[in-house]
Amino acid sequence: GEDVEQSLFLSVREGDSSVINCTYTDSSSTYLYWYKQEPGAGLQLLTYIFSNMDMKQDQRLTVLLNKKDKHLSLRIADTQTGDSAIYFCAESKTGGFKTIFGAGTRLFVKA
Amino acid sequence: EPEVTQTPSHQVTQMGQEVILRCVPISNHLYFYWYRQILGQKVEFLVSFYNNEISEKSEIFDDQFSVERPDGSNFTLKIRSTKLEDSAMYFCATQGLAVGDTQYFGPGTRLTVL
Repeated sequence: GEDVEQSLFLSVREGDSSVINCTYTDSSSTYLYWYKQEPGAGLQLLTYIFSNMDMKQDQRLTVLLNKKDKHLSLRIADTQTGDSAIYFCAESKTGGFKTIFGAGTRLFVKA
Repeated sequence: EPEVTQTPSHQVTQMGQEVILRCVPISNHLYFYWYRQILGQKVEFLVSFYNNEISEKSEIFDDQFSVERPDGSNFTLKIRSTKLEDSAMYFCATQGLAVGDTQYFGPGTRLTVL
């Protein structure tokens, strides 16, 4: 069935780049998302990419999609302590299909 | 920017009581969803709803759960007899019909069952 896998933890130093990786199984996915969740808070949509794109850049965020390998990554440049959170990778299709989430990657940023 | 709203933000209830969680979708959206997130776990799909009927539901969405659009605007999730393990954050999401429309998530309702 459909599945989204992510590594559980990532630790980086402030100012370094963070790269969070994700793999998914559904080759018919239309959208691939990155959400950020801070403790006790809701889901903040950071960015998303259509499956016909390879890359999307939005300020400090760069999303890379390798559709052949079903691999998605999120790069955060100049990581700050405020970036410490859980980052969820997710995928869905248009037309009323559910969103499938990964288990989330907890990013620790050391000052 | 339009947004999905949910009420209440936090609901505390006794085991066995009924709860109704409410969602106000973005105005032209016609696909509706409920998801839940147990503390420390991933976000799980519960149910999708379109054209006044359930399109898909997960194994979590058993007979204790129901959804409806009582007045054509709100979208509700009812849990008939809450259990301790229903304690979670419940997220509503809505989506438009146009190609390219993504799902928009609400801020969530934190349900605590005592």
